[in-house]
Amino acid sequence: GAVVSQHPSWVICKSGTSVKIECRSLDFQATTMFWYRQFPKKSLMLMATSNEGSKATYEQGVEKDKFLINHASLTLSTLTVTSAHPEDSSFYICSALRELSYNEQFFGPGTRLTVL
Amino acid sequence: GESVGLHLPTLSVQEGDNSIINCAYSNSASDYFIWYKQESGKGPQFIIDIRSNMDKRQGQRVTVLLNKTVKHLSLQIAATQPGDSAVYFCAENMNTGFQKLVFGTGTRLLVSP
Repeated sequence: GAVVSQHPSWVICKSGTSVKIECRSLDFQATTMFWYRQFPKKSLMLMATSNEGSKATYEQGVEKDKFLINHASLTLSTLTVTSAHPEDSSFYICSALRELSYNEQFFGPGTRLTVL
Repeated sequence: GESVGLHLPTLSVQEGDNSIINCAYSNSASDYFIWYKQESGKGPQFIIDIRSNMDKRQGQRVTVLLNKTVKHLSLQIAATQPGDSAVYFCAENMNTGFQKLVFGTGTRLLVSP
C-alpha cells in the first residue's frame, strides 16, 4: 500500500502558459502533502506544505502567486505553475503524509516540466 | 542555517562489495532520519529509517548507523548489486511538528559488474 501518483509524468509548454500538476494518494488519505522541486543532479528542495482545507505554507523564497497549491480533498493536491518561464523547467515531486503510529511521507514519481 | 550534507558526491564500487554512504547533519533537535534511493527520472524510494533514540537499525542488506555525538549518519549496503546504482539521499525530520524533511545533497552510487 501507500502509493502516490502524479499526473502528468511529463509536460512541455510554451512560456506564459499555466501548467497544473496533480498529486494523488491512491490508497490512503493525506491531510498533508508536500511539493518539492529538483534541478538536475541536485537534491530535493521543499517548496510548500499543502494542507487539506486550508492555505498552503510556502518555504522562504517560493512565490505563492507563481506556484498555486490547492488541496481540496484528502487524496488530491494540485500545483499550478502560472505564467511559466524557462527557468521554471524542473522536476516536481510531491509526497503525501500517512499518519499512523508515526508519520511517514510517500513520494510520487515526479513530473518533468519543460517550458519552451 | 540548518543543513544536511554528504561527504562524497560519487561512490564507485564493484559488484559484491559493501558500500558505505555518509551524511552529516547539523540540527541536533532532529528526531528522525531517512535514507532514500532515487533512480533517474523517478521519485525517491524509501530505504530505511532510524529514530534519534537508536544508533543502529538493520534491514535487508542495508544498515543505518546514527552517531548523534558527531551528527553523522551512514548507510551501509551489503553485497552491492548493479541494481543498487542510483542516487542516495539522507533526510532529516526537523521535528517542528510539521513533518518537514530536509534532504542532503545526495551521493551517486555506481556499481560495476
